[in-house]
Amino acid sequence: GDSVTQMEGPVTLSEEAFLTINCTYTATGYPSLFWYVQYPGEGLQLLLKATKADDKGSNKGFEATYRKETTSFHLEKGSVQVSDSAVYFCALVRGNTGKLIFGQGTTLQVKP
Amino acid sequence: KAGVTQTPRYLIKTRGQQVTLSCSPISGHRSVSWYQQTPGQGLQFLFEYFSETQRNKGNFPGRFSGRQFSNSRSEMNVSTLELGDSALYLCASSLLGTEKYGYTFGSGTRLTVV
Repeated sequence: GDSVTQMEGPVTLSEEAFLTINCTYTATGYPSLFWYVQYPGEGLQLLLKATKADDKGSNKGFEATYRKETTSFHLEKGSVQVSDSAVYFCALVRGNTGKLIFGQGTTLQVKP
Repeated sequence: KAGVTQTPRYLIKTRGQQVTLSCSPISGHRSVSWYQQTPGQGLQFLFEYFSETQRNKGNFPGRFSGRQFSNSRSEMNVSTLELGDSALYLCASSLLGTEKYGYTFGSGTRLTVV
């Protein structure tokens, strides 16, 4: 079945460091891919998405490119801030199922 | 534009009881899906409703059920609660339940079973 694998956390960085969180997926067909972020005590917020191969999603300085050949959707940010500390989830969905499949989440802690 | 509203935010129930959680989607959205989030299992899909019909269902026991009303508001019910049902329950709304429009999540209902 479909699945999403994220790099193990927690990831601890200093402010202004470069961030990469790896995400790979297994799915038949052409899923859409998402990154969600969850702050403590809150629900999930959509960070960015890509719906076809080679699409690049971007938002608030975060970027991710849909790589069909490597089945990956790695999240990157050039300079992280303390306020970026949160849990990041990679997810996929296929077709009109309304069913998001999530990775296990990666905790990011940014220190001043 | 109001977001996705889930009520209540917190619940404490006793084992064996039943519970009903509510989700009001973004106005105009017709798809509502539900997820269970636990530290051990992560985020797991429960079911999705579109125009009052259940379109998709995850691998949860029959104690977990849901419904959607004509105004797209949705409820999920858990009967005969078990300790393992303690979790954050999230709902997500989507215009048509397709990836093109994305999914917007509520803040969740934190259920504690004692």
